[in-house]
Amino acid sequence: GNSVTQMEGPVTLSEEAFLTINCTYTATGYPSLFWYVQYPGEGLQLLLKATKADDKGSNKGFEATYRKETTSFHLEKGSVQVSDSAVYFCALSLISNFGNEKLTFGTGTRLTIIP
Amino acid sequence: DVKVTQSSRYLVKRTGEKVFLECVQDMDHENMFWYRQDPGLGLRLIYFSYDVKMKEKGDIPEGYSVSREKKERFSLILESASTNQTSMYLCASTTEVRGRGTEAFFGQGTRLTVV
Repeated sequence: GNSVTQMEGPVTLSEEAFLTINCTYTATGYPSLFWYVQYPGEGLQLLLKATKADDKGSNKGFEATYRKETTSFHLEKGSVQVSDSAVYFCALSLISNFGNEKLTFGTGTRLTIIP
Repeated sequence: DVKVTQSSRYLVKRTGEKVFLECVQDMDHENMFWYRQDPGLGLRLIYFSYDVKMKEKGDIPEGYSVSREKKERFSLILESASTNQTSMYLCASTTEVRGRGTEAFFGQGTRLTVV
């Protein structure tokens, strides 16, 4: 089946530190890959995505590159801020038998940035 | 601004009660989803719907049912609530697939406690 494995949390970093959150996937087919973010008290929102191999998604200083050879989509940011504290979910999607995209999520990584 | 609205942020119900969780989207999206979010387990798909009156089981449908009488509204029903259904419930919607990498829009979540 399809699955996403991401780095166990929680992760605590100082402001301006470099961030990496690892994500690998298993899929029957050729998935699209996503990072979603959940800020305290809110639902999930899309952070970035990539739909084919070697594509790089980027947003708000975050980046992730779709690596088909290593089945990975690691999230990186060069200099984190306190406002980046949130839970980050890696996800993949494949077209279901009903024609819609079905998302499969990882377990989430809680990130806390301290000033 | 696109919106997915869940009717309650917090609910407390008794064991054995019938519970309704309501979700409304204003984006004319075809697809709607119900997930539950638990620590260490991430988001797990309960049910989804790709059209009015159409529904399909997700990965953990046991103990739940759904209703979609109108395109904009998708209800999750706990027929007889149990304590192991205490969780955060998230509703999401997506438009019909036109390409890959369709963004999912989430509600803010309903934290349900069954006592």
